[in-house]
Amino acid sequence: AQSVTQLDSQVPVFEEAPVELRCNYSSSVSVYLFWYVQYPNQGLQLLLKYLSGSTLVKGINGFEAEFNKSQTSFHLRKPSVHISDTAEYFCAVSGGSGYSTLTFGKGTMLLVSP
Amino acid sequence: GAGVSQSPSNKVTEKGKDVELRCDPISGHTALYWYRQSLGQGLEFLIYFQGNSAPDKSGLPSDRFSAERTGGSVSTLTIQRTQQEDSAVYLCASSQPGSGNEQFFGPGTRLTVL
Repeated sequence: AQSVTQLDSQVPVFEEAPVELRCNYSSSVSVYLFWYVQYPNQGLQLLLKYLSGSTLVKGINGFEAEFNKSQTSFHLRKPSVHISDTAEYFCAVSGGSGYSTLTFGKGTMLLVSP
Repeated sequence: GAGVSQSPSNKVTEKGKDVELRCDPISGHTALYWYRQSLGQGLEFLIYFQGNSAPDKSGLPSDRFSAERTGGSVSTLTIQRTQQEDSAVYLCASSQPGSGNEQFFGPGTRLTVL
């Protein structure tokens, strides 16, 4: 069985400040890791994914994440946030082969203020 | 190309009525997933289709929930005798072979049971 823990339910930050959203997972098998963003009243949009290879993954909108196998973490970072980054962010894990369902964390609400 | 579409976008029903939610995946995507998003529960997996068969139904919360997929394309999620606790946003996603299980989500159907 797999599980995902997002340690912060809400992260308030000022515009142009850096941000880190934390994600830890547990799994007995190799995994794929994902970050999705959900803007108000919209569906989920993929920000970035880790399948294999380089542990530093770059995504859309200036976000990046680093896979750390020893710490079973996949934290999301952005060096300078914008008001438009205000949204809910979900970390997810799936089995590392073929088709597999996604197991999501509870989500982190990023609140960017001027 | 077109993304995943879902209909209706909003559905209000009375307790005890049956509802049908529709998902149109991205053309060529053989895998289709249903998830439910509700306050306090986060995103929960419901059912997964590979083609027209459903190898994983483990997330369906009760026998009032069923789903089918025809022609390897459109899927319908049916909830019989709806209860207030069924109120949630129902999300559909699809993925294609070789994508590392990257799932593309539709905008969701918001179901409200009065």
